[in-house]
Amino acid sequence: QVQLQQWGAGLLKPSETLSLTCGVYGGSLSVNYWSWIRQPPGKGLEWIGEINYTGSTNYNPSLKSRVTMSVDTSKNQFSLKLSSVTAADTAVYYCARMFYFGSGNYYIDYWGQGTLVTVSS
Amino acid sequence: QSVLTQPPSASGTPGQRVTFSCSGSTSDIGSNTVNWYQQLPGTAPKLLIYNNDERPSGVPDRFSGSKSGTSASLAISGLQSEDEADYYCAAWGDSLNGYYVFGSGTKVIVL
Repeated sequence: QVQLQQWGAGLLKPSETLSLTCGVYGGSLSVNYWSWIRQPPGKGLEWIGEINYTGSTNYNPSLKSRVTMSVDTSKNQFSLKLSSVTAADTAVYYCARMFYFGSGNYYIDYWGQGTLVTVSS
Repeated sequence: QSVLTQPPSASGTPGQRVTFSCSGSTSDIGSNTVNWYQQLPGTAPKLLIYNNDERPSGVPDRFSGSKSGTSASLAISGLQSEDEADYYCAAWGDSLNGYYVFGSGTKVIVL
């Protein structure tokens, strides 16, 4: 049973960089893709991007200029950095596993517990 | 920023059947499989339906999914109070370099 445990700073000031890490337990980073999703308070889900064990990434075009994802296979962890945050980036951030089963076919089967990140001066 | 359109809410009484839609385009639903997620208040989403109409182990068969063209639907039969939650459709979008898109979400209310 795969478990995802995430951590990172929950309160940021505008212009700072958001940084979150997700540990993968009971499974290997070497299969599937690993993603970040966010949800502003009271709103819907937004996919931020994905990374695989080689470090190959794919980002949401609307966030691409500010997002960096990385992977540490030795620790079985992957991370998210989002630069130049504003109040609009206030959200619960989830790490997740994206199961890939063919061209254009994915589903998210495991989620982290979520981290509320608040951006406020 | 949702690309997939869902009705904001759907409702029914216990035991009823509720159905709602997810509308996309040829570059997302029309080209790739659809997944559905259930989100109970204060919790992370949970995979409900994958590959258009398949249920993960443990998901009751009261939940069913379908897809036709650029739209998909989720049906809940024998509605129960614990089904009151937010439901999101999602699919891979082929535009640009490709990215995963979620629907706007539908809140199911059990009357």
